[in-house]
Amino acid sequence: DTGVSQNPRHKITKRGQNVTFRCDPISEHNRLYWYRQTLGQGPEFLTYFQNEAQLEKSRLLSDRFSAERPKGSFSTLEIQRTEQGDSAMYLCASSPIRTSGNYEQYFGPGTRLTVT
Amino acid sequence: QQQVKQSPQSLIVQKGGISIINCAYENTAFDYFPWYQQFPGKGPALLIAIRPDVSEKKEGRFTISFNKSAKQFSLHIMDSQPGDSATYFCAAIITGANNLFFGTGTRLTVIP
Repeated sequence: DTGVSQNPRHKITKRGQNVTFRCDPISEHNRLYWYRQTLGQGPEFLTYFQNEAQLEKSRLLSDRFSAERPKGSFSTLEIQRTEQGDSAMYLCASSPIRTSGNYEQYFGPGTRLTVT
Repeated sequence: QQQVKQSPQSLIVQKGGISIINCAYENTAFDYFPWYQQFPGKGPALLIAIRPDVSEKKEGRFTISFNKSAKQFSLHIMDSQPGDSATYFCAAIITGANNLFFGTGTRLTVIP
């Protein structure tokens, strides 16, 4: 179990550019989540995948955001036409098939995005 | 609207002391309450969790106390150590849902 990995760890981009982040969940975890964390706040839910299907999206996920999880393995989060308000830590989490009703979500180290 | 309210925002405790962080929620449908620990530059790590059918859960130096009628729960860190210095988040979720609702975090500093 190598944990959830995210790349890149840091991304600086200019306003208006597109960026893409990658998340590799813990192997055999079929559930994958994206959260956004701004400075001094707790993570806020963006979207959820079960295998390759995107089953839930937050209203925080504007039309400029798109997430994919091809083949139910790694996931990508793309932000188009970045804005300064997109500057945040983007966290990925995964969890195994539900057993005993527990919902342990295991988080990766995050990708810190700075939009200048 | 903040679904889970957390206090204090920051906390300074002497080594060996007890750190107490409090959270409150409104949605009675929440039925799983995890606590996460986050070090700078790292993602949140699950620390301990509780369901509302128990009033207390202890794991090592970490204890969750849960008051269902008051819709409040708290994390107690006994014998606090400098290595415990981190940001702590309480969270809540409804079984069957996928969205963890986090508090705003408490920055704990344990001084030697």
